[in-house]
Amino acid sequence: GAVVSQHPSRVICKSGTSVKIECRSLDFQATTMFWYRQFPKQSLMLMATSNEGSKATYEQGVEKDKFLINHASLTLSTLTVTSAHPEDSSFYICSARRDANSNQPQHFGDGTRLSIL
Amino acid sequence: AQKITQTQPGMFVQEKEAVTLDCTYDTSDQSYGLFWYKQPSSGEMIFLIYQGSYDEQNATEGRYSLNFQKARKSANLVISASQLGDSAMYFCAMRDRGSNYKLTFGKGTLLTVNP
Repeated sequence: GAVVSQHPSRVICKSGTSVKIECRSLDFQATTMFWYRQFPKQSLMLMATSNEGSKATYEQGVEKDKFLINHASLTLSTLTVTSAHPEDSSFYICSARRDANSNQPQHFGDGTRLSIL
Repeated sequence: AQKITQTQPGMFVQEKEAVTLDCTYDTSDQSYGLFWYKQPSSGEMIFLIYQGSYDEQNATEGRYSLNFQKARKSANLVISASQLGDSAMYFCAMRDRGSNYKLTFGKGTLLTVNP
């Protein structure tokens, strides 16, 4: 069964709306979670690393004020797309790993398809 | 330079046959991990198989096996006895110290299994 839950799976909303996406690790504590963005027919692009109890680490070119990340507990990270515009429409997917051991895979949520009208 | 290279944008295979999806990587670290994920059209990322840089044997998981050739820096995925449900995007990924142990993905290969 799924070990990472992501919600909602699909969002359609008007331009200017802020959208919050939740990522939960279901049966383990994740001190680190990751947020990716994926455009159609392309690979996953890492946006940021979410660290429990501290600020997220953003990849180069990702606007931290646009994509707010909160990792308030060991099982929950949220990504808020603030004042979303049509160019923010994309597939967003989170992942978590059980520990820092390099042979542990990252487990992914099912993703969120965001459509801004 | 790309850290993960998947040279096959698309592959076709006949049902019940085997198929190899190519992946080469670039790292100067001695310790690293290689992963393969499957992404169906529904979007979820499904972990398939892992190979550690120090593992001497090729990893196998059911119908999936990883042809690990360390000197050539390749980690090809072999799917045996292809099934229609294997049609999906397949991503090769690597985690190493150079990337702060974050996953770096290749561009993916779209596999289509024909009946």
